Order: sequence, then C-alpha cells, then structure tokens
Amino acid sequence: GENVEQHPSTLSVQEGDSAVIKCTYSDSASNYFPWYKQELGKRPQLIIDIRSNVGEKKDQRIAVTLNKTAKHFSLHITETQPEDSAVYFCAASRGNTPLVFGKGTRLSVIA
Amino acid sequence: SQTIHQWPATLVQPVGSPLSLECTVEGTSNPNLYWYRQAAGRGLQLLFYSVGIGQISSEVPQNLSASRPQDRQFILSSKKLLLSDSGFYLCAWSTGAHEKLFFGSGTQLSVL
Repeated sequence: GENVEQHPSTLSVQEGDSAVIKCTYSDSASNYFPWYKQELGKRPQLIIDIRSNVGEKKDQRIAVTLNKTAKHFSLHITETQPEDSAVYFCAASRGNTPLVFGKGTRLSVIA
Repeated sequence: SQTIHQWPATLVQPVGSPLSLECTVEGTSNPNLYWYRQAAGRGLQLLFYSVGIGQISSEVPQNLSASRPQDRQFILSSKKLLLSDSGFYLCAWSTGAHEKLFFGSGTQLSVL
C-alpha cells in the first residue's frame, strides 16, 4: 500500500520568511495530493491540492509542486504570517482507496 | 451546500464503559464516510471508512466498530473503552473518488 513520509516534523520561521514542507510517496499510481492545515483543537481543512497531470499550483501565498519521477511533492508558503502557525498534513491517493496522510509538520511563525 | 455534523464535542468516559459517536452529512447523497483518530500531537489514523450503506472497511484491528445505518449517518462504537482509546475523533466525508475530504469538528474523548 501507499506510504507517505513528511519532513520536517517541526519548523520554525521568522514572520515574513518562506516555509517549505516536503513529502514523498511510494505508490507510483497515486494521482491526487492534497495539503491540510489544522489549527490547535480544530478540524483539518483542505488548503490546496494538486493532481498528477500538473507540476505546480499556486493560490496566493501558497504553492504546491509535484515531481512524479522522484515521487515527491512540496508545500511552499511565502511571506509567512503568525496565523500560518498550525500543523500541516500532506496526503496521497490513487482515487480508489482512502487518502494516506503524512505524520504532519508543526509550523511556528515567530513574530 | 454540504455540511457535516459530529457530536458530542467533548466526552469523558470511564474505562470499560461503552461509546457511541455519531456523524451526519447533509446536502449530498451516497458520500464516502470516514472515522479518523488523532492522538495528542500525532497524525491522522484512519479507523474505518464506508462507501455505502452497510459497507464498512476496517483499517486497524481494535475494540472499536463502525456502522452506517443510513446513507448519511456514520456511527463509531465500542462496548468497553480502554485508556488507549483516548484521542481526538474526526468524522469526514468525500464524494466519488477518495479525494477531497471534509472533516467534522471532532470529538475529544478522554478515557479515565
């Protein structure tokens, strides 16, 4: 089955700097890669996703890149703000089986 | 629009007591439904999922069970809770393929 590894487990950045979180997956048939943000005590919420036929996708300060050959994808957050502090999860799916999540990255943005 | 309801928000139960958590989805038909558990500071562990009424797939062997008595209702149960059952329980739904998941607000369960 699919296995998703996520790094780093914790990340601290200064406000205004960029943050990058990386994930690798094992199943070459996976074709859908979402990212979720979970604030303390709240539900995870989808912030961006990408499909395997696309190499990069942007939404304001957030971008995701996908390298199918290397089987890794990354979340990029630019101009970080304190409200970006949260736990971020990556996931992968081939569509006919449930999402497999990484273990999460705790991002702290220091003002 | 679609909404997901999950209750209760918090629950404190003694070891050995039963458990019933309920989740309902509105505004969609035949959703895929999921139960996840999240231990403190940890990742999302898939417990059960269902692609239709009466169809339950178990991902992790344990003393929990799930049922789907109606199309948009998903129930997580236990006959006797263990200390290790403590955690944050999240219900979620998706449509069609197992892709965009939408989570409920979660139940914080403390087993004492």
